[in-house]
Amino acid sequence: AQSVAQPEDQVNVAEGNPLTVKCTYSVSGNPYLFWYVQYPNRGLQFLLKYITGDNLVKGSYGFEAEFNKSQTSFHLKKPSALVSDSALYFCAVRAHQSGGSYIPTFGRGTSLIVHP
Amino acid sequence: DTAVSQTPKYLVTQMGNDKSIKCEQNLGHDTMYWYKQDSKKFLKIMFSYNNKELIINETVPNRFSPKSPDKAHLNLHINSLELGDSAVYFCASSQYQSRELFFGEGSRLTVL
Repeated sequence: AQSVAQPEDQVNVAEGNPLTVKCTYSVSGNPYLFWYVQYPNRGLQFLLKYITGDNLVKGSYGFEAEFNKSQTSFHLKKPSALVSDSALYFCAVRAHQSGGSYIPTFGRGTSLIVHP
Repeated sequence: DTAVSQTPKYLVTQMGNDKSIKCEQNLGHDTMYWYKQDSKKFLKIMFSYNNKELIINETVPNRFSPKSPDKAHLNLHINSLELGDSAVYFCASSQYQSRELFFGEGSRLTVL
């Protein structure tokens, strides 16, 4: 079975500092990896994805993530955090299942708090 | 135009009642989903339809029944509501099963 781990419930960072939100995954087969952001009382919004190709992917709002196959990780990064980046971040994985479907599995979420 | 829209946004109801949540997407996607987000923000997939065909049916009580009249709509009907059904229910869609999901704004269900 596939799974996603986000080891930190909360990440605190000062505005202007770089931020990292960690994600590791476990799948059999090639993973499709995604990051989503959820603001309070809103639905999830897609940020970026890795399907194939360059291990460093860039997404919305200046976020990027690096796919590391040997460490089975897909950490989300941003060079300079903004207070408005404060939100709940979800990592997700999809991989081909034996029945032919691609079940999307989400991590438990990491709350990012950016202090002014 | 809202890409994935859910109605109603809020439902407050008594135990034992039946309720429905409707979802529509105007993105032309072929796959739709229902997720449940609990009070700890954990997201659990419930169902998924691809071109009106049920493809994912996770361990969900059979009081929950999805219906997809066409590939732009996926509704969720819940019978005999229980306290533990209180949660935010999200509808989502994607083009192909392997692609990113587009979420609705959620329907907050409170069972009293």
